[in-house]
Amino acid sequence: DAGVTQSPTHLIKTRGQQVTLRCSPISGHKSVSWYQQVLGQGPQFIFQYYEKEERGRGNFPDRFSARQFPNYSSELNVNALLLGDSALYLCASRYWSGGPSGYGYTFGSGTRLTVV
Amino acid sequence: AQRVTQPEKLLSVFKGAPVELKCNYSYSGSPELFWYVQYSRQRLQLLLRHISRESIKGFTADLNKGETSFHLKKPFAQEEDSAMYYCALTGSQGNLIFGKGTKLSVKP
Repeated sequence: DAGVTQSPTHLIKTRGQQVTLRCSPISGHKSVSWYQQVLGQGPQFIFQYYEKEERGRGNFPDRFSARQFPNYSSELNVNALLLGDSALYLCASRYWSGGPSGYGYTFGSGTRLTVV
Repeated sequence: AQRVTQPEKLLSVFKGAPVELKCNYSYSGSPELFWYVQYSRQRLQLLLRHISRESIKGFTADLNKGETSFHLKKPFAQEEDSAMYYCALTGSQGNLIFGKGTKLSVKP
């Protein structure tokens, strides 16, 4: 069973350009969330989607947008790239593990975005 | 405000020594707390969560609501424990709120 898959693994873009990152959750998982991890920091929440609807949004500018498709895969779009957008972008698949364990999150390997 | 604080950026110990990675949180209500680990060149993975009170790879963590802490402990560190460790809690939107992480280095 495949884990959370993200593409591409690495990307180099120029300031002002737009980028689209892709994520496929674990089969059967309906919730996907996106995180930005800047070097030396912990991951920061960007978006959460469940059943194709946005269920949460972090403190990021409107240049960041996302969507979820009927097959539960997701895309993160960033417009008008800035140097500060350089980071590892992580996608997480959220699932209900049942009983007292509550929700679980499985992360992908991430997309390393470099803005030059 | 919901926040996770990991006061140590780097913790260096010798093999066989005890390890304690500190985590303090700010949260109204009953938090759901986790420790995640990221080994070199690997993806972020769950180490343990407080709600299941489990011990993984010899690590344990106890929730102390009075001190708002969730410190990660291991009595005898191994070299393979060297990694980045992140404490996290579930935020009001169902998202994870992470601390900045502590790099654990276990020396032979």
